[in-house]
Amino acid sequence: DAMVIQNPRYQVTQFGKPVTLSCSQTLNHNVMYWYQQKSSQAPKLLFHYYDKDFNNEADTPDNFQSRRPNTSFCFLDIRSPGLGDAAMYLCATNSPQGGQPQHFGDGTRLSIL
Amino acid sequence: SQQGEEDPQALSIQEGENATMNCSYKTSINNLQWYRQNSGRGLVHLILIRSNEREKHSGRLRVTLDTSKKSSSLLITASRAADTASYFCATAALYNNNDMRFGAGTRLTVKP
Repeated sequence: DAMVIQNPRYQVTQFGKPVTLSCSQTLNHNVMYWYQQKSSQAPKLLFHYYDKDFNNEADTPDNFQSRRPNTSFCFLDIRSPGLGDAAMYLCATNSPQGGQPQHFGDGTRLSIL
Repeated sequence: SQQGEEDPQALSIQEGENATMNCSYKTSINNLQWYRQNSGRGLVHLILIRSNEREKHSGRLRVTLDTSKKSSSLLITASRAADTASYFCATAALYNNNDMRFGAGTRLTVKP
C-alpha cells in the first residue's frame, strides 16, 4: 500500500496560472518535505515541515509556498508558474528520531504551457 | 543546495557484473543514505550508514563510508537488468537529521 501519495501524477498548467500539488501520508510522520527535481538532476529541497514548523530553503523562489493543514496532508502552491518551474515535484516524509530514511511519493510531473 | 557529488554520472555494465558508484560530500554528517529511482518514479530508500559505521551490507548491496575522506561507495554485486535505475546518495546534516542533501546521481544501465 502506498504510504506517501501524490496527486495528480501529471499536472499541466498555463504560464502564470496558479497551481497546487498535493501530498498525503499514512505514516503519521512529523516531517514532510517538498523537492523539485529537473531532468537528470538531483532532487533539490524546497522546504520542509517539522509538525507545523515551516523551514524554507534560502534559495527557494518566493513563487513557491506550502501549507500543512494537518499531519497527513501537505500542499505545494506555485503562485505564478514560469517555464523554468516545469519539473518533477517530490514529496517525502520522515520520522524525526535520529537517522531515519525518507519515504517518497511517486511525484507529480508539472508541465507549463 | 546540493551536498554530494557522485561519480560516475553514468555507468553501463553487463548483467552479472558488479557496479560501483561513489559519492563525496563536503560537510560533517550524521548519516549517509543511498536511494534508487526508476524513471518517472519517486526515490526508494536502499540503505543507511551512520557516521560511526564503516561498512554495511544488505542483500547484494554493500556500502562503505570513509568520513576522513568524506566519501562513500555503493557496490551492487551480480547486477541484473532490473537494477537499471538512477542511484543517489543523500547526507543528513550532523546537527539536523531533517536536513537532507542529495548528490547528482549515477545513471546505471545493466544490459541483459
